[in-house]
Amino acid sequence: ETGVTQSPTHLIKTRGQQVTLRCSSQSGHNTVSWYQQALGQGPQFIFQYYREEENGRGNFPPRFSGLQFPNYSSELNVNALELDDSALYLCASSLDGGNTIYFGEGSWLTVV
Amino acid sequence: GEDVEQSLFLSVREGDSSVINCTYTDSSSTYLYWYKQEPGAGLQLLTYIFSNMDMKQDQRLTVLLNKKDKHLSLRIADTQTGDSAIYFCAESPGAGSYQLTFGKGTKLSVIP
Repeated sequence: ETGVTQSPTHLIKTRGQQVTLRCSSQSGHNTVSWYQQALGQGPQFIFQYYREEENGRGNFPPRFSGLQFPNYSSELNVNALELDDSALYLCASSLDGGNTIYFGEGSWLTVV
Repeated sequence: GEDVEQSLFLSVREGDSSVINCTYTDSSSTYLYWYKQEPGAGLQLLTYIFSNMDMKQDQRLTVLLNKKDKHLSLRIADTQTGDSAIYFCAESPGAGSYQLTFGKGTKLSVIP
């Protein structure tokens, strides 16, 4: 049990649509990061939030955006969906100063 | 840029030891992680090692780090069928950044 929960678990969207994925972390986990894992690949870092501010970003376009809320929940928003956005999206959270990074079970997004 | 390499497949007999290897290129890596992913699931943190350590043992798991060669290994003693999964090596710069760079994963198959 990692204490990181994600929703929805599966969803199907049409190319060009927008999607919001949600994550809830343990109390005190002020850092949250999001990853994209394409089939057969390792997870790729999208961005990181600390105390509601983005403080790190991977090689993803601006149509990938996020929010972090004071109640340790966060969102990943993807606009103008493309077929290549089909992947497992993973949320991870960490305690301030801690080295353990816990992942949720992920949200499977299929873009058709 | 950072790169993490792993062999893609490993097959062992139940009861034998498994050794999964990983190489990384970023000499500033502070923490190195091993995660396990079962089919259709998220990432389970197995263990991590700080870069100033050579070895870490946790029950059936032994992590060895050769910082000079940038080589990390995970040994699983007495491998069981429940250990069948994909194992990811990941590195992090630490210092408040939880940006993990993952390898493509090693698929471990345990033969009964």
